[in-house]
Amino acid sequence: GQQLNQSPQSMFIQEGEDVSMNCTSSSIFNTWLWYKQDPGEGPVLLIALYKAGELTSNGRLTAQFGITRKDSFLNISASIPSDVGIYFCAGLPRDDKIIFGKGTRLHILP
Amino acid sequence: DTGVSQNPRHKITKRGQNVTFRCDPISEHNRLYWYRQTLGQGPEFLTYFQNEAQLEKSRLLSDRFSAERPKGSFSTLEIQRTEQGDSAMYLCASSLNPDINGYTFGSGTRLTVV
Repeated sequence: GQQLNQSPQSMFIQEGEDVSMNCTSSSIFNTWLWYKQDPGEGPVLLIALYKAGELTSNGRLTAQFGITRKDSFLNISASIPSDVGIYFCAGLPRDDKIIFGKGTRLHILP
Repeated sequence: DTGVSQNPRHKITKRGQNVTFRCDPISEHNRLYWYRQTLGQGPEFLTYFQNEAQLEKSRLLSDRFSAERPKGSFSTLEIQRTEQGDSAMYLCASSLNPDINGYTFGSGTRLTVV
């Protein structure tokens, strides 16, 4: 079945640093999504991308839909303590179900 | 609109018991999904409803699992004869137009089978 390869698995950064994570797939997706999950909660949608090459921002977050439609990245600028959590990339094939990556665990050192 | 609501938030049960979880989706969303998430993994698709019709079931959904959405509104997920391997977070999501807005997830039900 379709799989998403998300990297890195975890990151330890200093507050104020920028963060970058990415996701690749062997299959084409029509929509790429980035979710954040806090402990004990469900994933919350951060950014949705609909077109190959699209670059979208949401505050300090920027994400891009790769030109080949098989990859996406998420950048977080000037990280703050509340950015801690697990970030999931997710792909939505046409008329199908969302498939999730395994997540990137973000830790911020004081 | 209070978002997607799931109950209970936590459930501890003995192996072999039956459990039932409830999901109340966003009211205007006609699509409802159940996912399962184990520690260190992303959510995995279990089953999907459009209105009251169950349109797809994953092979992860063994015959001990059954889901219903009787009136096209709330949904229940029942696990019969629970096993320790069923311990996971069970997430419900709903959507009106997934190509545009993705899915909105609830906070999940954390099941622990002892």
